[in-house]
Amino acid sequence: QKEVEQNSGPLSVPEGAIASLNCTYSDRGSQSFFWYRQYSGKSPELIMSIYSNGDKEDGRFTAQLNKASQYVSLLIRDSQPSDSATYLCAVQREYGNKLVFGAGTILRVKS
Amino acid sequence: DAGITQSPRYKITETGRQVTLMCHQTWSHSYMFWYRQDLGHGLRLIYYSAAADITDKGEVPDGYVVSRSKTENFPLTLESATRSQTSVYFCASSESLYQPQHFGDGTRLSIL
Repeated sequence: QKEVEQNSGPLSVPEGAIASLNCTYSDRGSQSFFWYRQYSGKSPELIMSIYSNGDKEDGRFTAQLNKASQYVSLLIRDSQPSDSATYLCAVQREYGNKLVFGAGTILRVKS
Repeated sequence: DAGITQSPRYKITETGRQVTLMCHQTWSHSYMFWYRQDLGHGLRLIYYSAAADITDKGEVPDGYVVSRSKTENFPLTLESATRSQTSVYFCASSESLYQPQHFGDGTRLSIL
C-alpha cells in the first residue's frame, strides 16, 4: 500500500463544474496536509494547507480533511480551463523528516 | 523579490562527469530539500537540511552529495553522473517540517 494514494485520472470536468480530487494516506498520526498544483513542465505550486478536521476554503478552492477516515480532498468550484493541471496531495508524517507526495491526479477542464 | 532560485535551468552532461545543481533562497527558511521527479515515481526526496551544516538522507540519496555552509544555499552534487540520474530536480524550502514547502523552478538534467 502506498503511503499517499491518489487516483491518477485524468479527471475531466466541464467548465463551470465542481472538480473533486481525493487523497488517502496510511500514517494515522499525520498532522499536516497540502495540495499542490503542477502545470506541465513547471514546479509544484502550493494551493492549500490544512491541519485540522473539517473544511478550509480559499476562493474557489476548498480542502476537506477527515483524519478518522485518513482522507483529504480538494474541491474546485467553477472550474476553469486554466485549472487543468496535475494536483499533488502531500502529507507530513507525524514523526520523521519526510513530506510524502501522492503520484498526482491529472485534471482536465473542458470549455 | 524574495524566493527560491535554481540554476542552471537546463543541463546536458556525460556519464562520469561531476555536476552541481545550485539552490538559493531568500526567505531565511531553516529547512531545504532536494527532490527528483520522474514519470512513474512522482516526487522523491534525495536529501534535506534542517539548518546550516545539518543534512540528512532522504529516500534516494545514492550517488548524490549535498552541503549547506550557509543557510541560503543548498547545492546538490552528482559526483559521477549516471544515465539513471537523468531527471527533473527540484529544490524546496520551508520554515519548519510541518509548514508547507515552496519549490524552485527546477533543473532539467540530461545525462548522455
